Amino acid sequence: DIVMTQSPDSLAVSLGERATINCKSSQSVLYSSNNKNYLAWYQQKPGQPPKLLIYWASTRESGVPDRFSGSGSGTDFTLTISSLQAEDVAVYYCQQYYGTLYTFGQGTKLEIK
Amino acid sequence: EVQLVDSGGGLVQPGGSLRLSCAASGFTFSSYSMNWVRQARGKGLEWISYISSATVYYADSVKGRFTISRDNAKNSLYLQMNSLRDEDTAVYYCARESGSGSYLDYWGQGTLVTVSS
Repeated sequence: DIVMTQSPDSLAVSLGERATINCKSSQSVLYSSNNKNYLAWYQQKPGQPPKLLIYWASTRESGVPDRFSGSGSGTDFTLTISSLQAEDVAVYYCQQYYGTLYTFGQGTKLEIK
Repeated sequence: EVQLVDSGGGLVQPGGSLRLSCAASGFTFSSYSMNWVRQARGKGLEWISYISSATVYYADSVKGRFTISRDNAKNSLYLQMNSLRDEDTAVYYCARESGSGSYLDYWGQGTLVTVSS
């Protein structure tokens, strides 16, 4: 199985500042035939189901604010929030959908400093 | 509007069984692959099962004990859980796969399963 490892486990950022969350996969999730990275990012607020933010590593889901961006390829990926807002407090998860058995990172808890 | 409504959770003794349901609406259910994902209290997300029109997959943690199924006529997804263990205690979410990739674009609100004597 592909193991997804996020860093850091928790992060405190001031309002208006940049937040960066990293995700590393144990093997490449880049599919060579279509040059797509099979990597998604989700946001989960307390008491709510996860919400899709980013897919194909860098494509924003419809309705997601443009302060959220995804980057990376192969085994190393980053979710960036360019200017943190109060409503961005949540746990963020990366997920690979390259293999037949999907796996999530352990999550990164984002708080306001 | 796409809606997924999870139900069927509850308290069950170790070794017992439970059947979860997910009622789908707002899209052509038969055209989409579906998944179950669970989350123990205070823990991260764990993918546990997938179903398309012809294929099913399971995480090792539930293989041989859980069975995923669907009834396209009823727009419903199911998870039959047998031989339940304490460690199966979690909120269980159904989630739809996007039509253009295997990422999960819509999620149910979740249903809580508690395995305890």
